[in-house]
Amino acid sequence: DAGVTQSPTHLIKTRGQQVTLRCSPKSGHDTVSWYQQALGQGPQFIFQYYEEEERQRGNFPDRFSGHQFPNYSSELNVNALLLGDSALYLCASSFTGGAGTEAFFGQGTRLTVV
Amino acid sequence: GNSVTQMEGPVTLSEEAFLTINCTYTATGYPSLFWYVQYPGEGLQLLLKATKADDKGSNKGFEATYRKETTSFHLEKGSVQVSDSAVYFCALVTGSARQLTFGSGTQLTVLP
Repeated sequence: DAGVTQSPTHLIKTRGQQVTLRCSPKSGHDTVSWYQQALGQGPQFIFQYYEEEERQRGNFPDRFSGHQFPNYSSELNVNALLLGDSALYLCASSFTGGAGTEAFFGQGTRLTVV
Repeated sequence: GNSVTQMEGPVTLSEEAFLTINCTYTATGYPSLFWYVQYPGEGLQLLLKATKADDKGSNKGFEATYRKETTSFHLEKGSVQVSDSAVYFCALVTGSARQLTFGSGTQLTVLP
């Protein structure tokens, strides 16, 4: 089992550009969540996808959008990049089976906006 | 809403020392509690969890007990190793919210 895989691992973009990050969940998982982790901070919840729908959203602007595909993989899109969007973006997958269900995290994508 | 408060870091210990990292929480509803660990350059790994009051989660010598009366989930290890050097995050999830709420993390450095 490959676990949760994210691509790319590192990315450098210019202010105002758009970026797409990708995530493949752990086998058997149907739910994907995205988190933003700024340097020295804890991860902050962006949104969660289940059955190809956004099920829950954190306090992030509409510039952040996502998608989930029929095979449960997911994309995170960020438009009009700002310097403050520089962070580690983490994808977590889980199986929708209650609040105690463990979330498995990928290695993350390090986004740098210059 | 939900929130997690963690002990301020960084924490530096000598090998074989006793470790405590404090974590307290506020939650709407009945939370499940977690400790995650992040090694340099990596994502998060679940260290241990507890889903109801008085449960003790344990893994790799680390322990934490779900204390509902004090809304706490402190992480402990009796004898730390250099390989335990990492950032530790306390987190919770409630049934209605489903997303993890994390503390700010505690950087642990263990010196030989």
